[in-house]
Amino acid sequence: QVQLQESGPGLVRPSETLSLTCSVSGGSISGHYWNWIRQPPGQGLEWIGYIYDNGRTYYNPSLKSPVTISVDTSKNEFSLKLSSVTAADTAVYYCARTETTTSRSPFDSWGQGTLVTVSS
Amino acid sequence: DIVMTQSPDSLAVSLGERATINCKSSRSVSSNNRSYLSWYQQKPGQSPKLLINWASTRESGVPDRFNGSGSGTDFTLTISSLQAEDVAVYFCQQYYSLWTFGQGTKVEI
Repeated sequence: QVQLQESGPGLVRPSETLSLTCSVSGGSISGHYWNWIRQPPGQGLEWIGYIYDNGRTYYNPSLKSPVTISVDTSKNEFSLKLSSVTAADTAVYYCARTETTTSRSPFDSWGQGTLVTVSS
Repeated sequence: DIVMTQSPDSLAVSLGERATINCKSSRSVSSNNRSYLSWYQQKPGQSPKLLINWASTRESGVPDRFNGSGSGTDFTLTISSLQAEDVAVYFCQQYYSLWTFGQGTKVEI
């Protein structure tokens, strides 16, 4: 069974760049859509964006901070960069995989999540 | 964007009783007799767990007390006989057009 694990700094200064990596084990990163989702403390889930293994990306247009998602298939990992962060970007960040190889699919595998706090 | 709205925001149910959660989408998430709607369970400190997809198909290992129904814009998750381990927040999600989640429903004893 595929497992996902997020890693990265737990504290980011305002206006700086939030950077996280999701390591995928127990399966190939080829196929499926690989996603980032976040959850502000005590709130609901917000989809941030996806990357497909060929590097094709799509981001949630409602996000205020610029987003970049990249993939390194040789390392079986993908990454998130969120620029010019503010306190509103404080959240638990999850990486997740679509259940099937199509975009019309729910997320069947999730990382444990990592809390990122934006504060000076 | 397709907006997902759940009701109620929270509910308290006695052990062994039925819990019903509703989810409404701002436009239809069904097409060709398929509904692109899933339900997740999130326990405190854990990541969401996929319970049901295609509105009514339970994932492997999900107890049969969890049942999903609905089509178009209106969907329901029913827990037929609430157990202590079912205390959690439940989210609906549409995957018809990208992905959006409902705000969550907290189920308590």
